[in-house]
Amino acid sequence: QKEVEQNSGPLSVPEGAIASLNCTYSDRVSQSFFWYRQYSGKSPELIMSIYSNGDKEDGRFTAQLNKASQYVSLLIRDSQPSDSATYLCAVILVLNTGFQKLVFGTGTRLLVSP
Amino acid sequence: DAGITQSPRYKITETGRQVTLMCHQTWSHSYMFWYRQDLGHGLRLIYYSAAADITDKGEVPDGYVVSRSKTENFPLTLESATRSQTSVYFCASSDTNSYNEQFFGPGTRLTVL
Repeated sequence: QKEVEQNSGPLSVPEGAIASLNCTYSDRVSQSFFWYRQYSGKSPELIMSIYSNGDKEDGRFTAQLNKASQYVSLLIRDSQPSDSATYLCAVILVLNTGFQKLVFGTGTRLLVSP
Repeated sequence: DAGITQSPRYKITETGRQVTLMCHQTWSHSYMFWYRQDLGHGLRLIYYSAAADITDKGEVPDGYVVSRSKTENFPLTLESATRSQTSVYFCASSDTNSYNEQFFGPGTRLTVL
């Protein structure tokens, strides 16, 4: 089982709709979760972080975390064509050495059509 | 304010040659990281550094060497490039107090022929 799993997509939504991106992770003790956005040919950009169960809202973005189900999601309301990108889920894993490793999923490609 | 920069942005080299990818950050961040990104594998950590003169291996360190003599610079060297090292390389940095929030450079696309 991969440490962080995402559906590769593409996820296609019409402009104005809600896009729902999902991620599962394998390590039950993980405490920190992140969503990065990566436009084609560009570097990843941090857009959301979440550390507690529940929802965290920032503008049109809402991150949802359910540690019992080892599930984290990103909702994008009123999706715009400019939201078309690959969204990377990232989870902090704590190794036996104490080092905290940021592990990325392979990303979900989102396409928002006008 | 340049933030974090990488050079070169594109590099083509031949098998067996030594290649150095440069990374420079202006934030005085303690932590710096090198990742490679390949289709189907996502981002994988090569090496990281917690401070000047402190480096450690990540997930895929074989064939790579790093150094960090100054806080702001973190070069990555491929000692003898192989075709399997063709990839996009990203440098990232983060502050001690927000270690988990990493900021990425623009990337270097490396092709090994």
